[in-house]
Amino acid sequence: AQTVTQSQPEMSVQEAETVTLSCTYDTSESDYYLFWYKQPPSRQMILVIRQEAYKQQNATENRFSVNFQKAAKSFSLKISDSQLGDAAMYFCAQFTGTASKLTFGTGTRLQVTL
Amino acid sequence: EAGVAQSPRYKIIEKRQSVAFWCNPISGHATLYWYQQILGQGPKLLIQFQNNGVVDDSQLPKDRFSAERLKGVDSTLKIQPAKLEDSAVYLCASSLDNQGRSGNTIYFGEGSWLTVV
Repeated sequence: AQTVTQSQPEMSVQEAETVTLSCTYDTSESDYYLFWYKQPPSRQMILVIRQEAYKQQNATENRFSVNFQKAAKSFSLKISDSQLGDAAMYFCAQFTGTASKLTFGTGTRLQVTL
Repeated sequence: EAGVAQSPRYKIIEKRQSVAFWCNPISGHATLYWYQQILGQGPKLLIQFQNNGVVDDSQLPKDRFSAERLKGVDSTLKIQPAKLEDSAVYLCASSLDNQGRSGNTIYFGEGSWLTVV
């Protein structure tokens, strides 16, 4: 079974600062993909960043980057220069070939303060 | 490029009534998913279609939920009869992959909010 764990129910960061959201996952497969999705109050899931397991290089998208530690099965999201618009629920998700579906963690609510 | 379209956005019904949600995936996307997201939880997969065939419906409560994807494009999710615990956001998503391989990014619609009273 595929499992994704987000141990931080809530995080807070000041505007312009950096914050890291944690995620661990569990799979026995070698072919899998990891994602971070952002969910604002509208409840639409918006893709933030994606990482292929076979790539050693950490993915980066503007102010968003990941720290992918394959051996530790860890996939954290770093948000630099935090903005008020970053406030949302963030979900870590895993996609494997066998399951052929996204498995989500329980989410981390990020607050951004002035 | 148009995104995943869902309707209705909001629905309030009484328990034991029925409701149907509609989804139109991104053009050309072979795989379509329906997820249920209860408040405070992560989304849970209800059913996955590959074109017009069901790939996974292991977590679909088949005594009350049904879904179809005729012609491999639009999909409808129906709940009958609804229970209080069905109150949730129903998210439709789609991905390009048409061979069951992993890796294609999954794009989500805005969701359909259901409140059962």
